[in-house]
Amino acid sequence: KAGVTQTPRYLIKTRGQQVTLSCSPISGHRSVSWYQQTPGQGLQFLFEYFSETQRNKGNFPGRFSGRQFSNSRSEMNVSTLELGDSALYLCASSLGQGIEPQHFGDGTRLSIL
Amino acid sequence: GESVGLHLPTLSVQEGDNSIINCAYSNSASDYFIWYKQESGKGPQFIIDIRSNMDKRQGQRVTVLLNKTVKHLSLQIAATQPGDSAVYFCAENRAAGYSTLTFGKGTMLLVSP
Repeated sequence: KAGVTQTPRYLIKTRGQQVTLSCSPISGHRSVSWYQQTPGQGLQFLFEYFSETQRNKGNFPGRFSGRQFSNSRSEMNVSTLELGDSALYLCASSLGQGIEPQHFGDGTRLSIL
Repeated sequence: GESVGLHLPTLSVQEGDNSIINCAYSNSASDYFIWYKQESGKGPQFIIDIRSNMDKRQGQRVTVLLNKTVKHLSLQIAATQPGDSAVYFCAENRAAGYSTLTFGKGTMLLVSP
């Protein structure tokens, strides 16, 4: 069974630009969650999508948004990029019942210049 | 200025030793806990999980202990190997029915041959 796939693996952007990251979940998984990982803040929850609906949201500004498609694939968008947005963005998928493990991709490393 | 990175606690052991990694969680309402292993350049990898109605669960070479009275989790790794060197995170699911994980700060495990 293929794991969670995130593309691209690396991105370099400049301040003020926007970026879209993609995540393909494990086949059969309907929940996709996004996390931001930085040396300063560790792993922080961004949002979760389940059946094309945002089901939960973390404490991030509105510049961070996402969506989920009918095939459960998800995209995350960050607009008006700031230097502090440099991070590893991780996507995780699960069946979405809450009491089962989430399985992570290897992330997209976003660097803002 | 530049943010200071997290100073990860580090556990250094010799190959063949048993390792114990500890984690304190904050929400007494959390009902599901997971341990993840993260190697450099990769996403977190699921190791073992435990529900709040259990106090111990064993896997292959790993055991998780849960003490709800003091809100403490531990991960025991038997016969630690160099390949176990990584950062280990505990995570709790605080939102019943949702796939929303809150992660601990992590512990770096270094295994010497």
